[in-house]
Amino acid sequence: DIQMTQSPFSLSASVGDRVTITCRASQSITRYLNWYQQKPGKAPKVLIYGASSLQSGVPSRFSGSGSGTEFTLTISSLQPEDFATYYCQQSYSFFTFGPGTKVDIK
Amino acid sequence: QVQLQESGPGLLKPSETLSLTCTVSGGSVSSGDYYWNWIRQPPGKGLEWIAYLHDRGGTNYNPSHKSRVTISADVSKNQFSLKLSSVTAADTAVYYCARGLLIRGIFWFDPWGQGTLVTVSS
Repeated sequence: DIQMTQSPFSLSASVGDRVTITCRASQSITRYLNWYQQKPGKAPKVLIYGASSLQSGVPSRFSGSGSGTEFTLTISSLQPEDFATYYCQQSYSFFTFGPGTKVDIK
Repeated sequence: QVQLQESGPGLLKPSETLSLTCTVSGGSVSSGDYYWNWIRQPPGKGLEWIAYLHDRGGTNYNPSHKSRVTISADVSKNQFSLKLSSVTAADTAVYYCARGLLIRGIFWFDPWGQGTLVTVSS
């Protein structure tokens, strides 16, 4: 099984801050890595697929990078609607999600 | 625009079989190159993929649950379903259905249904 980890577990940030979340895989997953945003009581929504491709309709302040075992999601300027939990997900072998990173207001 | 909606009982007793249905609108479970998935999220916890059904008939299951899970489609109703047998309290979760897309080898889930909470309790 491919295990996914994320860091930090949670973070507090202010509107306008640059935020970076890291996702690591237990083995190389090349670029088979996606990022989702989930708000309380709602279903997850895909932000980034294939490590760095922005899903249609997602603001350009979201970006993804990485390959192999280490990936990052960056929010260039945090907006009020970005406070949420973010999950990475690998599709190299079956599908597993990271434990999530909660972004809340500082 | 494709939309998905889960339905099914919200409360089960231990050892019963969970049965959920996902109704797809704005698209067809039998057209295109899509994968129809079930994913769950225990309260306050992370996401776990359970199974998918490919619209050309293939299925794939999370090895952790393979012995208890069946996924199937009813093309006439544009629905797909999940059955999970012998449930325990550990199966308490919000269950989501989601469409899977596979493009250039990359697979992701979009869109998702709103989710339905299933509680297992005696």
